[in-house]
Amino acid sequence: DARVTQTPRHKVTEMGQEVTMRCQPILGHNTVFWYRQTMMQGLELLAYFRNRAPLDDSGMPKDRFSAEMPDATLATLKIQPSEPRDSAVYFCASGLSISPRQGGYGYTFGSGTRLTVV
Amino acid sequence: GESVGLHLPTLSVQEGDNSIINCAYSNSASDYFIWYKQESGKGPQFIIDIRSNMDKRQGQRVTVLLNKTVKHLSLQIAATQPGDSAVYFCAENITPGRRALTFGSGTRLQVQP
Repeated sequence: DARVTQTPRHKVTEMGQEVTMRCQPILGHNTVFWYRQTMMQGLELLAYFRNRAPLDDSGMPKDRFSAEMPDATLATLKIQPSEPRDSAVYFCASGLSISPRQGGYGYTFGSGTRLTVV
Repeated sequence: GESVGLHLPTLSVQEGDNSIINCAYSNSASDYFIWYKQESGKGPQFIIDIRSNMDKRQGQRVTVLLNKTVKHLSLQIAATQPGDSAVYFCAENITPGRRALTFGSGTRLQVQP
């Protein structure tokens, strides 16, 4: 059963520290998303990649967040420096970017990284 | 659960009843919609999708209805089971071609045995 793998599952860090979250998309998927989920804002799109190229990162605070795909099997989301307001669950999702006419693209989500910044 | 809000609208149903979860979407240009289910401690899980050129689609025990006139989406679950208890999100592709989903705020479904 193919799945999106995210590590770590939980991370507690002190304010000011760098945090790196990793995602292994499903093999063959060409689109990768990063979402953040909080109680107040719900699920927010941070960034997404297609064929490893960043297409949209307008949802990310640029001064502290960065997202990369060094290769097709790894996506990373970094926060430097981290702040308490970054505490959230961060989800990675992957899928095939095909037209809805071709069958749609219900993306598969990982289990998330729960980040707590104290 | 760790990933859901305290103030989500909640639908409480008896086991075996049918459930209807509603969603008002934001953009009349959205061309694709998905319903996701999220259980506590897990990521959203795909349930069913529908394209904007359709008004109904059926899956196993689930039906999605789309009313573009009033920008309304609904998810019907037949014979609701305790395992259906979760938070349900509708998601839309606001910008055709962009294919990045925008999520609604969610509805919590509680199934009473």
